[in-house]
Amino acid sequence: QVQLVQSGAEVKKPGASVKVSCKASGYTFTTYAISWVRQAPGQGLEWMGWISAYNGDTNYAQKLQGRVFMTTNTSTTTGYMELRSLRSDDTAVYYCARAPLSTSLDYYYYMDVWGKGTTVTVSS
Amino acid sequence: QSALTQPASVSGSPGQSITISCIGTSSDVGGYNYVSWYQQHPGTAPKLMIFDVSNRPSGVSHRFSGSKSGNTASLTISGLQAEDEADYYCSSFSSSSTHVVFGGGTKLTVL
Repeated sequence: QVQLVQSGAEVKKPGASVKVSCKASGYTFTTYAISWVRQAPGQGLEWMGWISAYNGDTNYAQKLQGRVFMTTNTSTTTGYMELRSLRSDDTAVYYCARAPLSTSLDYYYYMDVWGKGTTVTVSS
Repeated sequence: QSALTQPASVSGSPGQSITISCIGTSSDVGGYNYVSWYQQHPGTAPKLMIFDVSNRPSGVSHRFSGSKSGNTASLTISGLQAEDEADYYCSSFSSSSTHVVFGGGTKLTVL
């Protein structure tokens, strides 16, 4: 079955970086993008961006530009999200999700399968 | 502050129908038929319920339906069941510099 398995919880100090992994299985990895969405404690969902597993194209949320970097490894069918210069308000659960291409839009705007989430805590 | 506006909470009794609204602008909900809805139970990952305004993924109950009129998208749940109690989020493609926007979420309580 389609599955996304994320790496474990992380605790980081302000100013550090974190890299979260997302191992995909059960589908052809390169026919979808991997999107990342985060959720601060008690808050709603925030879209961070996506990376096409087909060609490595990326699209990031404007507020995270320059701090977030998404990559994939097609040989291991794994996606990665690195967030740099961490601040306390980056404390959140980070989800990866499979994103189908909307062919009429030529964009990955929705997510059909989600990982269980990775808790990232930023604290001094 | 979320780009899309949802009511903070809605409630209904088992068997009833409820509708959750999602208000956007002509730059997102009103300008495109690319609205999705997600269900999230406490402590779990979101689950896709609707995409492209009104399409249900396989496995999602027919009790869930989506629609749109102008700048407002709606999720209707008919025949409410206890397991429908969850948070619901709308999302839309946007022509702004951040191309995917979410609503703030609506907590559904089944009385």
